[in-house]
Amino acid sequence: QVQLVQSGAEVKKPGASVKVSCKASGYSFTRYGIAWVRQAPGQGLEWMGWVSTYKGKTEYAQTLQGRATLTTDTSASTVYMELRSLRSDDTAVYYCARDGNRMGDFDYWGQGTLVTVSS
Amino acid sequence: DVQMTQSPSSLYASVGDRVTITCRAGQSISTFLNWYQQKPGEAPKLLIYAASSLESGVPSRFSGGGSGTDFTLTISSLQPEDFASYYCQESFSPPHTFGQGTKLEIK
Repeated sequence: QVQLVQSGAEVKKPGASVKVSCKASGYSFTRYGIAWVRQAPGQGLEWMGWVSTYKGKTEYAQTLQGRATLTTDTSASTVYMELRSLRSDDTAVYYCARDGNRMGDFDYWGQGTLVTVSS
Repeated sequence: DVQMTQSPSSLYASVGDRVTITCRAGQSISTFLNWYQQKPGEAPKLLIYAASSLESGVPSRFSGGGSGTDFTLTISSLQPEDFASYYCQESFSPPHTFGQGTKLEIK
């Protein structure tokens, strides 16, 4: 069965960086892109970016101001999301999700990773 | 960026009720519209993709409609497990904006 398993919770200080992993299993990894979505406490969903696991092409939300980088390790069926220059408003649950290869929908989601930014 | 306006932001209903949530795009997005359900402490779950296609395993009481700028998610007869938050999302062009969400609560 398709699974996306994310790394564990992180606590970071303002200005630091965080790198969250998303390990895929149960399907052909390079056939589906992976998106990242975050959710601040009590708030809605925010699309952060997308990466092609086949060619490494990326797209990012401009609201992140170039602070995010998505990378893939095809040998490990894993996608990484790095966010730099962390601020308190980056505190959120970060989700990876599989692009369903249909109309841009996300058909499988990771369990989420809480990133807390606090001094 | 495509702006997505979802309404209502909260909705009170009873088991067995028929409810409809609407989502309006700031420009035409054809049928590049998806609906997700999210329960507290859980990841979102895909319900409807391409505006009206039911995701595998999702009960048939959920249905989606619309094209262009106006879309709907309808639950024909609410079940206890349907009380949750619902989000629309456009997948026409990045960033793939989500609506602000609708919290469906028990009356």
